[in-house]
Amino acid sequence: KQEVTQIPAALSVPEGENLVLNCSFTDSAIYNLQWFRQDPGKGLTSLLLIQSSQREQTSGRLNASLDKSSGRSTLYIAASQPGDSATYLCAVRGIQGAQKLVFGQGTRLTINP
Amino acid sequence: NAGVTQTPKFQVLKTGQSMTLQCAQDMNHEYMSWYRQDPGMGLRLIHYSVGAGITDQGEVPNGYNVSRSTTEDFPLRLLSAAPSQTSVYFCATSGDRGPFLFFGEGSRLTVL
Repeated sequence: KQEVTQIPAALSVPEGENLVLNCSFTDSAIYNLQWFRQDPGKGLTSLLLIQSSQREQTSGRLNASLDKSSGRSTLYIAASQPGDSATYLCAVRGIQGAQKLVFGQGTRLTINP
Repeated sequence: NAGVTQTPKFQVLKTGQSMTLQCAQDMNHEYMSWYRQDPGMGLRLIHYSVGAGITDQGEVPNGYNVSRSTTEDFPLRLLSAAPSQTSVYFCATSGDRGPFLFFGEGSRLTVL
């Protein structure tokens, strides 16, 4: 059974810092991995999706990498801003079945002005 | 263009009561799903549907029923609510143009 873990559960950094969020998964047989952002009381917004054949994806100040063999993904946020404060979740989709995502517990990120 | 709409946003039930959480989408997406989010446990898949008339169970289906009579709607029914079903419920959809999931804003359910 696939298990997804995100450490740390919470992270607080000053504005302007570059930071890395971690995601690990136990079964390397994945179809893709997604990173989501969740603001308090809101739904999830997809940030980046990495297919199993890819190593990384970039969108603006965000860069996500995938190392399938070691079961790890990182989300790099450059030049952090207070507006980046949110909970970030990663989710993996297995190679079989429909879009049955397995989510990590999330990392709650706070950027201090 | 509303995207994914969930109703109600908040609901309080007593143990044993029944209710239906509604999910409607206007993006003509074939895939629809229900997740529940609990503190410290991330999101867990309850049921999903790959098209009208087709549903299947996810990771935590017990205590929940679904049906999909139209492409637009995917209601989640709690037949006899239990305190363990206190959670935030999210509906998510996806279309054949890409793998991204679109989420509703959630329905917060408390069972007393």
